[in-house]
Amino acid sequence: KAGVTQTPRYLIKTRGQQVTLSCSPISGHRSVSWYQQTPGQGLQFLFEYFSETQRNKGNFPGRFSGRQFSNSRSEMNVSTLELGDSALYLCASDSGGSGEQYFGPGTRLTVT
Amino acid sequence: AQRVTQPEKLLSVFKGAPVELKCNYSYSGSPELFWYVQYSRQRLQLLLRHISRESIKGFTADLNKGETSFHLKKPFAQEEDSAMYYCALSPRGGYNKLIFGAGTRLAVHP
Repeated sequence: KAGVTQTPRYLIKTRGQQVTLSCSPISGHRSVSWYQQTPGQGLQFLFEYFSETQRNKGNFPGRFSGRQFSNSRSEMNVSTLELGDSALYLCASDSGGSGEQYFGPGTRLTVT
Repeated sequence: AQRVTQPEKLLSVFKGAPVELKCNYSYSGSPELFWYVQYSRQRLQLLLRHISRESIKGFTADLNKGETSFHLKKPFAQEEDSAMYYCALSPRGGYNKLIFGAGTRLAVHP
């Protein structure tokens, strides 16, 4: 099976802009989770979607949002970008509650 | 508060030496605990989980509820074990929410 894919792999944006990141889970996986990884805060949970519904949400401001489509692909959006949003954004898929998550390679976002 | 603590940023050992990567957690209840590993230029991947009680690549981890610890151990380190190791907690009913520790870099020297 193909692994989790994320696009784009690298992105440079300016403060105040918005960005959309995409994640395609492993075929058959219905759960997609998103994480932010920074040197200072480490890996932090953003949110999780299952069958197009957000099941869980981390402690991030409302500027961070996501959605999931009927084919399980997911997108996350960050509006009004701040310098502190520069990070590696990882998504992970799971068949639906096993707890074993398969991670993608990440999207490196740089905000200037 | 739900928290995972990995007190060591770097653990440096020689090949053949025993390894213990420490993980302590804070959670009021019975969480699920995992160890994830990231080898150089590879993706983050699951190493083991406490409910499976498996030994993967010679690594084991025992959940100690009294000490709220889930230390990762291997009796004889190999150079290919060099990687970043993350301990993670999933709250019961938390679906696929993982709370990660800061990670420990294991460096195994020849």
